[in-house]
Amino acid sequence: DQQVKQNSPSLSVQEGRISILNCDYTNSMFDYFLWYKKYPAEGPTFLISISSIKDKNEDGRFTVFLNKSAKHLSLHIVPSQPGDSAVYFCAAKHSNYQLIWGAGTKLIIKP
Amino acid sequence: DADVTQTPRNRITKTGKRIMLECSQTKGHDRMYWYRQDPGLGLQLIYYSFDVKDINKGEISDGYSVSRQAQAKFSLSLESAIPNQTALYFCATSDTPGGVGGSYNEQFFGPGTRLTVL
Repeated sequence: DQQVKQNSPSLSVQEGRISILNCDYTNSMFDYFLWYKKYPAEGPTFLISISSIKDKNEDGRFTVFLNKSAKHLSLHIVPSQPGDSAVYFCAAKHSNYQLIWGAGTKLIIKP
Repeated sequence: DADVTQTPRNRITKTGKRIMLECSQTKGHDRMYWYRQDPGLGLQLIYYSFDVKDINKGEISDGYSVSRQAQAKFSLSLESAIPNQTALYFCATSDTPGGVGGSYNEQFFGPGTRLTVL
């Protein structure tokens, strides 16, 4: 039973446009959500996070939105740049500090 | 220098062999984790350790064991490797709540070990 789902395996976006990556979860006990970015042959690196008591967190070109009633979060990247091409993972934190991960979305930024 | 290192980076072995994957960190974090990633799936937690004397099973611990030799070292063993353990393995660390290393919710990852069991 997948508790964290990223339903789009891949997404292609024109450079300069907005990239929107989506993530759904089923467990209402998750209290913190994180987005990680992964390049080939490297480990995931932390990108941005949001607490369950907030609905938005912004860091430069990256904004994460949380809709608790819909159990949905999204990552917005504006404007998209070629270096943003990577696999993006959504992860949710249990109260015991374990992270539950989505399957990832491969983002391709077209020049 | 990388904060979290993993050795080896790549390993090919045969069914039934014992394999050890090693992880070292210089971040000073107490908490360490081992994950595996399979194609099309997210990371799955194998084992985690909140300090040197603490070892906990994750979602998929069967067929694996771990050893926390020191705060900075956490090794993963496959006692008798089987082909469905072919995967990408990641080690990660995180700070303790109240620590000075940033948000304790963030995990910092090594570059991964690609393991193939024939």
